[in-house]
Amino acid sequence: QLQLRESGPGLVKPSETLSLTCIVSGGSISSSHYYWGWIRQPPGKGLEWIGTIYYSGGTYYNSSLKSRLTISVDTSKNQFSLKLSSVTAADTAVYYCARHSVESTRFDYWGQGTLVTVSS
Amino acid sequence: SYVLTQPPSVSVAPGQTARITCGGNYIGSKNVHWYQQMPGQAPVLVVYDNSDRPSGIPERFSGSNSGNTATLTISRVEVGDEADYYCQVWDSSNEWEFGGGTKLTVL
Repeated sequence: QLQLRESGPGLVKPSETLSLTCIVSGGSISSSHYYWGWIRQPPGKGLEWIGTIYYSGGTYYNSSLKSRLTISVDTSKNQFSLKLSSVTAADTAVYYCARHSVESTRFDYWGQGTLVTVSS
Repeated sequence: SYVLTQPPSVSVAPGQTARITCGGNYIGSKNVHWYQQMPGQAPVLVVYDNSDRPSGIPERFSGSNSGNTATLTISRVEVGDEADYYCQVWDSSNEWEFGGGTKLTVL
């Protein structure tokens, strides 16, 4: 059974860089059939797609976050990562990693999510 | 970006049918997916490609999509169906979009 688990600091200071890693188990991140994505949810609000990466390194970013965003993949460790720079309180959210297929645009497996708070 | 519009809330009595809409410009030409999110939990896919169900999702959950509106229908609603529901599409600008979410209340 595929499992995804987010890891990283739960507290980040304003203006600093938020860094998270999604560890994938029970399946290979190098499959040509899947993309790997990040989604976030501010407290009490809806879901926002952040960005997506393919095992070869190709990326798609939310245009509203693109200038601050870097998503990378490490196939040797079966994991992918998110870096969001110059964070503010508006970046406080639960961050989810998820898998979605190349042929379908749905997110079929999700991590449990991790709360990241931006505060001094 | 492509905008998806959902009603903030829908209320229904147990045993009745709930219909949650997702509006978007020519959304009928896109594949729409629906997620259920219980409080404090990650979203779960309940309908994909407009009307297909993942394994393990009850037949009570169904979907349709035409024109400018996609609809998630939950038949014979149970108290356990009370949750937030989100629609989602992929846009040709290579962005994945979510609707604002609908809170389903079972009275």
